[in-house]
Amino acid sequence: EIALTQSPGTLSLSPGERATLSCRASQTVRNNFIAWYQQTPGQAPRLLLYGGSSGATRATGIPDRFSGGGSGTYFTLTISRLEPEDFAVYYCQVFGSSPLTFGGGTKVEIK
Amino acid sequence: EVQLVQSGGEVKKPGESLQISCKGSGYIFISYWIGWVRQMPGRGLEWMGIIFPDDSDTRYNPSYEGQVTMSVDKSISTAYLQWSSLKASDTAIYYCVKLAYRWGPFDFWGQGALVTVSS
Repeated sequence: EIALTQSPGTLSLSPGERATLSCRASQTVRNNFIAWYQQTPGQAPRLLLYGGSSGATRATGIPDRFSGGGSGTYFTLTISRLEPEDFAVYYCQVFGSSPLTFGGGTKVEIK
Repeated sequence: EVQLVQSGGEVKKPGESLQISCKGSGYIFISYWIGWVRQMPGRGLEWMGIIFPDDSDTRYNPSYEGQVTMSVDKSISTAYLQWSSLKASDTAIYYCVKLAYRWGPFDFWGQGALVTVSS
């Protein structure tokens, strides 16, 4: 069973800044099958990106300021320039087999 | 447009039973796995299990095996999550999700159902 550790727990940044969130797996993630979700207060999470052998793919309607990277046991979510609506909690998840574990989340807050 | 519409919030007492629902539309319901995710107050996301609507093949997270029951009624494109005896620790928001494929990422989410268990 793969455990996911997200860091930092909280990231304090200003609009327009670049955000880099990390997700570290306890063992190698096959085919880089890591997904990223965004949850704003009071809302259901939504899928942002999902990984694969040929790189990360943005979900439908997700702006290109969101990008994903990494391989093996270390993965990142980058937001190139923070917009006001990007201040939220972000979760990584391993998929491809059971269990479909989530990381503990990173909160991106306004500095 | 893909939509997952969940039943409303519930307030129950410990020991009571409960079934919440999730109706899918805008896609071929029987062709995609449906999952359930728990979010306790102020906490993160926990995967509970998945079910395939066409044949009701169900896979539980071992942490939830025996604690809840997942089912579907494909004739009305609806999935269900059921408890036979609620505990206070079941208080949480429960989301249904559509998987992109078996064991795939969760590409669509329901709006969530808040279940409150209190004496």
